[in-house]
Amino acid sequence: EPEVTQTPSHQVTQMGQEVILRCVPISNHLYFYWYRQILGQKVEFLVSFYNNEISEKSEIFDDQFSVERPDGSNFTLKIRSTKLEDSAMYFCASSGGVSPLHFGNGTRLTVT
Amino acid sequence: GENVGLHLPTLSVQEGDNSIINCAYSNSASDYFIWYKQESGKGPQFIIDIRSNMDKRQGQRVTVLLNKTVKHLSLQIAATQPGDSAVYFCAENRDDYKLSFGAGTTVTVRA
Repeated sequence: EPEVTQTPSHQVTQMGQEVILRCVPISNHLYFYWYRQILGQKVEFLVSFYNNEISEKSEIFDDQFSVERPDGSNFTLKIRSTKLEDSAMYFCASSGGVSPLHFGNGTRLTVT
Repeated sequence: GENVGLHLPTLSVQEGDNSIINCAYSNSASDYFIWYKQESGKGPQFIIDIRSNMDKRQGQRVTVLLNKTVKHLSLQIAATQPGDSAVYFCAENRDDYKLSFGAGTTVTVRA
């Protein structure tokens, strides 16, 4: 069964550094998402992406965040200057539009 | 505040018994609901979904019930197994397939 893959599985970075989280969505999917989950809390929506542009974003997704689909297979989340409170699991998800979201296993981001 | 939430944060179930996990939502405009299972260190895994024009949907060992009158969603797991131990989230869709997740119920299966 096709799946969403995310790399790296764990990223440790210093406060103020830039990080790029990478995702390969399911190949025939058209809608792409990033969610995050702070330890022990619920999964929170960050951003949705369709037709090469952001379709919706949450208040969490401020100017420090950006997303890109640089080629036909990758979908990336960049955090320009990380803060301690950015430490969380970041999940990429994709959907064919009428299908449910399929999630990757996440990248654990630790900001020190 | 949250628009989607679960009644109980934890549920302990004897192996072989049936489990019922509940979820309340507040947005009557929501038209699509999904149950996800999250095991430790993994992403949410799709279990079953239901659209608002239905009140019941069955899968393999799982049933989702939707009561739009009281804005309540439940997940029933038949003959609970140790592998069912996980955190279960209900999620609600309001527009553009953006999902809003509830806080989750941790299910622990006792041998």
